[in-house]
Amino acid sequence: RKEVEQDPGPFNVPEGATVAFNCTYSNSASQSFFWYRQDCRKEPKLLMSVYSSGNEDGRFTAQLNRASQYISLLIRDSKLSDSATYLCVVNMFSGGYNKLIFGAGTRLAVHP
Amino acid sequence: DAGVTQSPTHLIKTRGQHVTLRCSPISGHKSVSWYQQVLGQGPQFIFQYYEKEERGRGNFPDRFSARQFPNYSSELNVNALLLGDSALYLCASSRRLDQALQSGANVLTFGAGSRLTVL
Repeated sequence: RKEVEQDPGPFNVPEGATVAFNCTYSNSASQSFFWYRQDCRKEPKLLMSVYSSGNEDGRFTAQLNRASQYISLLIRDSKLSDSATYLCVVNMFSGGYNKLIFGAGTRLAVHP
Repeated sequence: DAGVTQSPTHLIKTRGQHVTLRCSPISGHKSVSWYQQVLGQGPQFIFQYYEKEERGRGNFPDRFSARQFPNYSSELNVNALLLGDSALYLCASSRRLDQALQSGANVLTFGAGSRLTVL
């Protein structure tokens, strides 16, 4: 079983749609959680952290359920510029160092 | 302020050759990590260095090695290249090592990567 699992997509949605991505992780000792965005042939960039209480940043809402080991990202009012791959990431801080564990990513294509 | 810089951006090697990739962290960041991203997959952790010492290592063979210099820059070396080593190699820096990564206080910032093709 992969440590972080995501639906690979692609999700093809029209502009203005709401889209939700889900992610599960296997290690209950994971300490912090993130969504990264990666454009084609570019480096991953931090989109937002994910907190147990849920958090929102503009059109983006992230949720974490530690009991179910489940993370989600909701994008409202999709824009063409949201087209990218979204990586679910968990952080293990153990043995004195940080190790990010990435899912394979979910591809989003927003069309006019 | 410059971000994380990596060189070279692209390179082509043949099987059996050796490659050295370089990384300069963000000013003030003392920790450097290396990740390998194969096409269609998420990045995989290779190493983390802090204060010139290896602090963490992922599940990669001994052909992969790295080091960190006094100015906190880093090199990743890969010997005896295989076709399967073709990937985007990402360097990331963070300010501290003694606490878990979290938004705002201690985030991991990636460079643009070095794209290695092994023929």
